[in-house]
Amino acid sequence: AQSVTQLDSQVPVFEEAPVELRCNYSSSVSVYLFWYVQYPNQGLQLLLKYLSGSTLVKGINGFEAEFNKSQTSFHLRKPSVHISDTAEYFCAVKRNTDKLIFGTGTRLQVFP
Amino acid sequence: DAGVTQSPTHLIKTRGQQVTLRCSPKSGHDTVSWYQQALGQGPQFIFQYYEEEERQRGNFPDRFSGHQFPNYSSELNVNALLLGDSALYLCASTLAPLPVTQYFGPGTRLTVL
Repeated sequence: AQSVTQLDSQVPVFEEAPVELRCNYSSSVSVYLFWYVQYPNQGLQLLLKYLSGSTLVKGINGFEAEFNKSQTSFHLRKPSVHISDTAEYFCAVKRNTDKLIFGTGTRLQVFP
Repeated sequence: DAGVTQSPTHLIKTRGQQVTLRCSPKSGHDTVSWYQQALGQGPQFIFQYYEEEERQRGNFPDRFSGHQFPNYSSELNVNALLLGDSALYLCASTLAPLPVTQYFGPGTRLTVL
């Protein structure tokens, strides 16, 4: 069975600083990896995904993530955050046609 | 290009009642999944519908049931509501036969009193 661990429940950061949100997964088979963002009182928006190929994946809003198979990680990064990036971020994993399995989320709080 | 839509936006029910939530998938998509997101938690998979049949089911009791219509829209029904059913219910759609990426709707916030 697959599982996802988001190591930080909250990450406070000042505006224009870099940020990394950590995600580790466990699976005995190859999986697809995703990051979703959830703004207050809204649904989930896809930020980026890793399906295959290059391990560095670029997404929307200047975010990127790197797939590391040996460390079973898929950390999300942004070189310079904005106030508008304040939101809940979810890492998720799935096999081919299976359901998405989500982590518990990381609350990114950007301060001016 | 219409995204995933859900109705209603908010709903308040009392314990023991029944509720129906609705979802229209993204244009061109034929597979619908439902997730429950309790406050402060990540979404949990309820079930997935494809070709009007339940294809996968998560660890939810039989009080949770669903339906998919020929136009691919879907309903989630919950009977005998409990306080613990209060949550944001999310619908996601994708396209078979390789439904890798799921696109989510805005959700329905259900409050059970």
